[in-house]
Amino acid sequence: GIQVEQSPPDLILQEGANSTLRCNFSDSVNNLQWFHQNPWGQLINLFYIPSGTKQNGRLSATTVATERYSLLYISSSQTTDSGVYFCAGGFDSWGKFQFGAGTQVVVTP
Amino acid sequence: GAVVSQHPSRVICKSGTSVKIECRSLDFQATTMFWYRQFPKKSLMLMATSNEGSKATYEQGVEKDKFLINHASLTLSTLTVTSAHPEDSSFYICSASRGRGANVLTFGAGSRLTVL
Repeated sequence: GIQVEQSPPDLILQEGANSTLRCNFSDSVNNLQWFHQNPWGQLINLFYIPSGTKQNGRLSATTVATERYSLLYISSSQTTDSGVYFCAGGFDSWGKFQFGAGTQVVVTP
Repeated sequence: GAVVSQHPSRVICKSGTSVKIECRSLDFQATTMFWYRQFPKKSLMLMATSNEGSKATYEQGVEKDKFLINHASLTLSTLTVTSAHPEDSSFYICSASRGRGANVLTFGAGSRLTVL
């Protein structure tokens, strides 16, 4: 099956700092989503981004499908950005996804 | 927007009992729902794919007799953990897809199961 690698596994940021999270895929995926899991466990969809670049406030994402990677940018980080960020690649037409191991982000005041 | 409701959010049960978790799509018809399990500080592991009106497809290593999945309508899928044991304690999350080609997943808030 498809392997999804996320880096770094852990990230500690001071409030206001910028950061980049990376997601690599072992094979082609037909779609890709980034999620934020809050401290209560709920998964919030951040981006549906099979290719190209999208921005939503302080977050943006870029997927280069031909090179099998995606990046999530967090700018001017805030303590509310803390949590685990997952990327997931879809590899069939029914919406079956493979998740990466996640990046644990801690933003300190 | 698409909303998926999962219930209960937390459940504590005694070893040997069965627990049912519901996953409902509130404002769309979900022909396909997915059930995931998440261990502490770990990623999400796909357990099974649930298609309305047909048997669920289980991932390798997932016991179908332990984790019963029913998708009786286009808005409801249920996961029943039968004869639960402490090792079944986990965070269970469902997601829903509108169907083939609709590749954006919407997730429920998750259900934390603790088996004593």
